[in-house]
Amino acid sequence: DSGVTQTPKHLITATGQRVTLRCSPRSGDLSVYWYQQSLDQGLQFLIQYYNGEERAKGNILERFSAQQFPDLHSELNLSSLELGDSALYFCASSVGDTYNSPLHFGNGTRLTVT
Amino acid sequence: AQSVSQHNHHVILSEAASLELGCNYSYGGTVNLFWYVQYPGQHLQLLLKYFSGDPLVKGIKGFEAEFIKSKFSFNLRKPSVQWSDTAEYFCAVKSTGRRALTFGSGTRLQVQP
Repeated sequence: DSGVTQTPKHLITATGQRVTLRCSPRSGDLSVYWYQQSLDQGLQFLIQYYNGEERAKGNILERFSAQQFPDLHSELNLSSLELGDSALYFCASSVGDTYNSPLHFGNGTRLTVT
Repeated sequence: AQSVSQHNHHVILSEAASLELGCNYSYGGTVNLFWYVQYPGQHLQLLLKYFSGDPLVKGIKGFEAEFIKSKFSFNLRKPSVQWSDTAEYFCAVKSTGRRALTFGSGTRLQVQP
């Protein structure tokens, strides 16, 4: 158990809909990262928050947004869903936001868009 | 931009065979290098990491990796694999000035009993 909790585990929704994925980091970790894992794109970094502030953006679509709340949990919002958004979405946390802080991953949320 | 290449997409070995998975990165500055493993249906777990010092790093479950700066490589090795090593292995790099890990495309290892 990594200590990172993601809910829900599975999500099935239709195109055009909006969903929210939730992540609770390990106790004491201030950074939260979101990654998307798909068969054709591999593991892609989406966005990072540190102590409530956005710190880095990766390949995140404009239809996607995220935030980190004062209790440090984070939510990833995906809207106007398309079939191609079907993927496994991982959250990871780390103590700091420097490049030498190892990441601890959650079990992921599997999103299926039909 | 930093990138990571894993040339072996799918490797099939018999138990007790030796393993070497290739990883090359493209970034000329200071990097931290990682290998993660993802067992079927599970989250990514850290196998080992290199920050500085001895270029030969040992990780969990008998895995080790060697950082060769001149070759921009960080290959993963294990002298004798077990069936329980069946998983997907990801190499990742994090460089100064970048806050997120960049992952390779992964290598699926299948160990046959």
